[in-house]
Amino acid sequence: NAGVMQNPRHLVRRRGQEARLRCSPMKGHSHVYWYRQLPEEGLKFMVYLQKENIIDESGMPKERFSAEFPKEGPSILRIQQVVRGDSAAYFCASSRDTREKLFFGSGTQLSVL
Amino acid sequence: QQQVKQSPQSLIVQKGGISIINCAYENTAFDYFPWYQQFPGKGPALLIAIRPDVSEKKEGRFTISFNKSAKQFSLHIMDSQPGDSATYFCATDAGNQFYFGTGTSLTVIP
Repeated sequence: NAGVMQNPRHLVRRRGQEARLRCSPMKGHSHVYWYRQLPEEGLKFMVYLQKENIIDESGMPKERFSAEFPKEGPSILRIQQVVRGDSAAYFCASSRDTREKLFFGSGTQLSVL
Repeated sequence: QQQVKQSPQSLIVQKGGISIINCAYENTAFDYFPWYQQFPGKGPALLIAIRPDVSEKKEGRFTISFNKSAKQFSLHIMDSQPGDSATYFCATDAGNQFYFGTGTSLTVIP
């Protein structure tokens, strides 16, 4: 019974490149959340998705950031034209239903050179 | 706007001592209050959670105390062990998303 799988674990990009972060939720979970973590800043909510739908993207910057959770395949967080300030750990979490316990992946550490 | 305020930022406790981490929230609509534990290089994992219909919940050495009128809740770790050294996050649930505190780095000294 695999947990939430995120890949890659580490991603290095140069300024201006695109970053794609993938998240496969736990089996049976149809709710996916993305969080960004910076040192000493805790976890900042970015976006909440259900299959094929964005439910709440209030925490995600309007420009350069997008997220999807297709009917088949993992959820993708996409950051276009990355800048140094995008360097952070990005965590994905899933749940069986809304307002239920969140299960987190091990995160993707994005480093922008 | 910080929905959940957590303190202290860091905490050092002797083995066998009690670790106490506090959180305060603003929105009375919140009705689920979990605590997450995170080890370096790992994602947070649910430790214990409480709903506001009770004032205390205990699971092993971990206890949540909840004060609805003061809009505060705290995590108590009894008989703290070096293996408890981690970062702890309180959180609240607002329907579509969870709001997390800024975290407390706990170090338990042998």
